[in-house]
Amino acid sequence: EIVLTQSPGTLSLSPGERATLSCRASQSVGSNYLAWYQQKAGQAPRLLIYGASFRATGIPDRFSGSGSGTDFTLTISRLEPEDFAVYYCQQYGSSSTFGPGTKVDI
Amino acid sequence: QVQLVQSGAEVKKPGASVKVSCKASGYRFTTYGFSWVRQAPGQGLEWMGWISVDNGNTNYAQKFQDRVTMTTDTSTSTAYMELRSLRSDDTAIYYCARGGSFSSSTPFDYWGQGTLVTVSS
Repeated sequence: EIVLTQSPGTLSLSPGERATLSCRASQSVGSNYLAWYQQKAGQAPRLLIYGASFRATGIPDRFSGSGSGTDFTLTISRLEPEDFAVYYCQQYGSSSTFGPGTKVDI
Repeated sequence: QVQLVQSGAEVKKPGASVKVSCKASGYRFTTYGFSWVRQAPGQGLEWMGWISVDNGNTNYAQKFQDRVTMTTDTSTSTAYMELRSLRSDDTAIYYCARGGSFSSSTPFDYWGQGTLVTVSS
């Protein structure tokens, strides 16, 4: 099973700042099958990025994904108030596993 | 528009089974599959498995292999997840999510609203 670790656990930032979230896999993620999800309290997760770098439908371009192999990054270029949430990475190349999440708070 | 609407909250005793439903609308049901993901209170997301609507193929996470069954009903466009031999640590919100038709190697683009399952004596 591919184990994902995310860092930092919590990121304390202000609106307008840049957020950089990291996801590291215990082994290479095949075909860069790596996704990022946003989850707000009391809501289901929402797909942001798939294939490591492709934005899902309707996702603003301030969200971008990069990386390959075992190291991946989600960047939010300028935080909007609605971006404060928990972010999970997921690999779906070998069954599926999720990382433990990064909380972005004010 | 695509919608996945799940069944309501359940309270079960240890050792019992629960069956959660997920009714899909807004797209051709047979052209996608479903994954099920759970989230214990205050915890992260845990993938349980995937089912193809087209051919019924499944891929269950090792942890749930012996206790979970995923099915679909094309006549009602509904996916089901049954979990048996419930324990207190199965208390969680259970989500259905739309995925690939031929393999579990796809991201989850639409999610149900979640079903809270509480296991308590």
